[in-house]
Amino acid sequence: QVQLVESGGGLVKAGGSLRLSCAASGFIFNDYYMSWIRQAPGKGLEWISCISETTSDTNYADSVKGRFTISRDNAKKSLFLQVYSLRAEDTAVYYCARHLTSKGAFDVWGQGTVVTVSS
Amino acid sequence: QSMLTQPPSVSGTPGQRVTISCSGSRSNIGSNTVNWYRQLPGTAPKLLIYSNNQWPSGVPDRISGSKSGTSASLAISGLQSEDEADYYCETWDDSLNGRVFGGGTKLTVL
Repeated sequence: QVQLVESGGGLVKAGGSLRLSCAASGFIFNDYYMSWIRQAPGKGLEWISCISETTSDTNYADSVKGRFTISRDNAKKSLFLQVYSLRAEDTAVYYCARHLTSKGAFDVWGQGTVVTVSS
Repeated sequence: QSMLTQPPSVSGTPGQRVTISCSGSRSNIGSNTVNWYRQLPGTAPKLLIYSNNQWPSGVPDRISGSKSGTSASLAISGLQSEDEADYYCETWDDSLNGRVFGGGTKLTVL
């Protein structure tokens, strides 16, 4: 079945870095735009970044621009988020999601991976 | 502060019809289609409505969406206890060149 599985989260000190991964299965990965979305504890959803099918187009939220880098490996059906210079406010559940259409709605979500930044 | 404004909470009794509003601006809702998601506690969000008023497979038609100008709304009729969840609107923002979510609305079934 169509599935996204995130990994790579954990406890990291402020200023540190992590690489989040999202493994896709059950669909043709390179046919879809993909995004990362996060949710801080007790807060709402925040879109972070998206990447086009061929990696030619990427976009970032202002809150992470310059600190986070989105990438994908279509051969390995995987999406990545490299996060640098982590801050306490980056503590959140990080979800990867598939776009229904290019830059459209998020129709498939992973279960999320937790990133906790300690000060 | 979210670019899309939703009421923090709404409530209704079983069988009732409730609506959740989502107010934006010309650069987001005014220029792009709106999507709606439901999130149960401790789980990932689920797509409920896309492109203002379209249903993904498996979503019942007692849930509907609409858009007018710079506002959108989600309506749930025949309210059931399992509808108790958080609901989010979402769209693209041309000024930010990125996607934006509403702050979320907690629906309580009394």
